[in-house]
Amino acid sequence: TQLLEQSPQFLSIQEGENLTVYCNSSSVFSSLQWYRQEPGEGPVLLVTVVTGGEVKKLKRLTFQFGDARKDSSLHITAAQPGDTGLYLCAGGSYGGSQGNLIFGKGTKLSVKP
Amino acid sequence: ETGVTQTPRHLVMGMTNKKSLKCEQHLGHNAMYWYKQSAKKPLELMFVYSLEERVENNSVPSRFSPECPNSSHLFLHLHTLQPEDSALYLCASSQEVYWSSYNEQFFGPGTRLTVL
Repeated sequence: TQLLEQSPQFLSIQEGENLTVYCNSSSVFSSLQWYRQEPGEGPVLLVTVVTGGEVKKLKRLTFQFGDARKDSSLHITAAQPGDTGLYLCAGGSYGGSQGNLIFGKGTKLSVKP
Repeated sequence: ETGVTQTPRHLVMGMTNKKSLKCEQHLGHNAMYWYKQSAKKPLELMFVYSLEERVENNSVPSRFSPECPNSSHLFLHLHTLQPEDSALYLCASSQEVYWSSYNEQFFGPGTRLTVL
């Protein structure tokens, strides 16, 4: 069974701080996705990483896919209150249906002004 | 309206009630999904539909009954639920049902269900 472990589970920081959250697995994935879910809303896709070692930047967010395609990290620089939310990683494998999209439990981030 | 919409946004029901959740996608997608999101658990896939045909059913209790009358609408019929079924129920859609890094899933805002 493929599992994705996310850490930390909860993170509370002050505005302006940097942070990194992790998504780890013992399984290899074809790609990993990161979603952000705000209270009262559904998850929204932030990025998809597909190549081992790949780094993608989205403004203050930097996403990295591990060389072995088993893990990923999300780094936020100078966090802002608008970054508050639940960050979910999801792994997928080619050849399967969308039912093969495996989600982690998420990291709940709170950024205080 | 655009994207994926869900109604109602909040639902409180007793264990003997029958209710239905509705999902509509305005994206022209061919695949639709129901997920259950509970505290401290990963998103759980419940049902997958491709072009109105159910392609996956992940051992969901029969008190949950999905219906997909066309590729834009998805329902989840609920009856004799248990308190542990209280959760956020999310609907999602994607262009196709097969997995690819370019086949993004779009989620609705969810229905917060409370079973008393």
